[in-house]
Amino acid sequence: DGGITQSPKYLFRKEGQNVTLSCEQNLNHDAMYWYRQDPGQGLRLIYYSQIVNDFQKGDIAEGYSVSREKKESFPLTVTSAQKNPTAFYLCASTRTNTEAFFGQGTRLTVV
Amino acid sequence: GENVEQHPSTLSVQEGDSAVIKCTYSDSASNYFPWYKQELGKRPQLIIDIRSNVGEKKDQRIAVTLNKTAKHFSLHITETQPEDSAVYFCAASEGGGFKTIFGAGTRLFVKA
Repeated sequence: DGGITQSPKYLFRKEGQNVTLSCEQNLNHDAMYWYRQDPGQGLRLIYYSQIVNDFQKGDIAEGYSVSREKKESFPLTVTSAQKNPTAFYLCASTRTNTEAFFGQGTRLTVV
Repeated sequence: GENVEQHPSTLSVQEGDSAVIKCTYSDSASNYFPWYKQELGKRPQLIIDIRSNVGEKKDQRIAVTLNKTAKHFSLHITETQPEDSAVYFCAASEGGGFKTIFGAGTRLFVKA
């Protein structure tokens, strides 16, 4: 069953702590993305990757880091430098100029 | 880079009426324009898309129009139903096709 999987569904972060959100796809898509969604807001691009070992900053990359060591995986680390990390995070993947498939999202809360 | 603006941010219609959501984009090289529907607490899912070589596309009650010259595209939903209530996002793929930029979303309420 092909798809894109994010984990965990809920994540709690303490002040000053780094946390990593997982995103895995078995759709053989080249491009993967991370978006942040705040309540009542749109989707803002954090990072995207077109190929393995290459990624680009989106509009709100500060305080986040990513890696793309495998085609299937694109983990996002929310660092302590991100001062307002509480949000809903969505991972997506696409082929060139085609539909984006989204994971079910991770809701991150700072406690 | 690409910038996508979407209007209105909120839209309330009576069941059976039509709803129209409009988007503009800035990058003339963009050539793929999808629309996504996100129900409460769920992931966005594609409902219709259009490519730059086409001016209009229809799928049952949903249609999308594209004006390349003016750089705007619109979503039209006819005979709206309560289950159409959701947040709708437009998007544009920047030149090269990898970087997809989303509009801010429109929250549609369909009143029964």
